[in-house]
Amino acid sequence: ETGVTQSPTHLIKTRGQQVTLRCSSQSGHNTVSWYQQALGQGPQFIFQYYREEENGRGNFPPRFSGLQFPNYSSELNVNALELDDSALYLCASSYRAGQGTYEQYFGPGTRLTVT
Amino acid sequence: GQQLNQSPQSMFIQEGEDVSMNCTSSSIFNTWLWYKQDPGEGPVLLIALYKAGELTSNGRLTAQFGITRKDSFLNISASIPSDVGIYFCAGQTPTSNQFYFGTGTSLTVIP
Repeated sequence: ETGVTQSPTHLIKTRGQQVTLRCSSQSGHNTVSWYQQALGQGPQFIFQYYREEENGRGNFPPRFSGLQFPNYSSELNVNALELDDSALYLCASSYRAGQGTYEQYFGPGTRLTVT
Repeated sequence: GQQLNQSPQSMFIQEGEDVSMNCTSSSIFNTWLWYKQDPGEGPVLLIALYKAGELTSNGRLTAQFGITRKDSFLNISASIPSDVGIYFCAGQTPTSNQFYFGTGTSLTVIP
């Protein structure tokens, strides 16, 4: 059984650019959630994807968008990067049946630096 | 959004001591998760709790889902140097798909 993987590991971008981060979910999982973790803080929920649709969104602007593919992998896209977007971006996969979302397993994260 | 208050913020303990930390929320949760995160890595799931009053162990770790459904506790017995890291609680409300995370407890174990 493979765990959650993310790519790239590190990324440096310039303010105003766009970035795409990728996540492969754990085998048997059908749901992917994305989180932003600033230094010294807990992860903040960005959104969740289930059945290839956004299913819940945190307090993040529309320039944060995502996709989920038929194999349950996912992308996080951020447009018009701002300096405050610098953070560790975490992907978590889980198995969802009906209304409940069960325990989430995290990938190693992508460290994004915006200069 | 939901606020999870996690305490203590940091702990410095001697190897072999027991550790207790807790998390409280202003809302009722139906799921509590406890994670450990090492610097530069993703959080690792330690324990999952689904029922009020539930007490679950994972080796030297024990966590409880509070009766009020607004709090949870994590205990680590006989701490060892590899317990060093940041511990996060995360909770999910009955009406939301998202997990809300606490601010973390930084644990330092002195050999």
